[in-house]
Amino acid sequence: AQTVTQSQPEMSVQEAETVTLSCTYDTSESDYYLFWYKQPPSRQMILVIRQEAYKQQNATENRFSVNFQKAAKSFSLKISDSQLGDAAMYFCAYRSATFVFGPGTRLSVLP
Amino acid sequence: DAGITQSPRYKITETGRQVTLMCHQTWSHSYMFWYRQDLGHGLRLIYYSAAADITDKGEVPDGYVVSRSKTENFPLTLESATRSQTSVYFCASSAGVGSGELFFGEGSRLTVL
Repeated sequence: AQTVTQSQPEMSVQEAETVTLSCTYDTSESDYYLFWYKQPPSRQMILVIRQEAYKQQNATENRFSVNFQKAAKSFSLKISDSQLGDAAMYFCAYRSATFVFGPGTRLSVLP
Repeated sequence: DAGITQSPRYKITETGRQVTLMCHQTWSHSYMFWYRQDLGHGLRLIYYSAAADITDKGEVPDGYVVSRSKTENFPLTLESATRSQTSVYFCASSAGVGSGELFFGEGSRLTVL
């Protein structure tokens, strides 16, 4: 079974700085998809970014980018120019038939 | 309005009672999921469905029952609620296997006393 690990339960970053959230996963499959979801205090789950495993190029969405290392089974999220609104729980997720989520990293943004 | 809706948003019940959480989506997505969210565990899959009348167990199915007679509805029933089932429950849907993202409902907070 696939597993997703997020080794940082909590992180903090100064406003306007850059922060990287770590994620590793375990799978024997070669074709899959990876996602980062954000959950603000409102509890709503919001897609941040996605990555197809067959693509070598790292995905980017505005201030959010990933570092996808397929051989190492690593999928970290980099948030540049952090804003107060980035404060949330961030979940890494793996998809084959279903979605498997990591335990989450709580990000605080300090003014 | 289009989207995925859950009801009730909040529910308090007692041990041993039956509880049903409703989930409705308007996109005609083939896949639907039920997750529970607990501190330190992230989201754990309870049950999922690939199409109407097709359901399958996830990671933590014990004590839960699902059905999917129509594509748009995917109710989750706790047949005899226990305190360990106190949690936030999320329903989600996806268009299919692949890069399609998961769309979430707003969550249902269930407290079992």
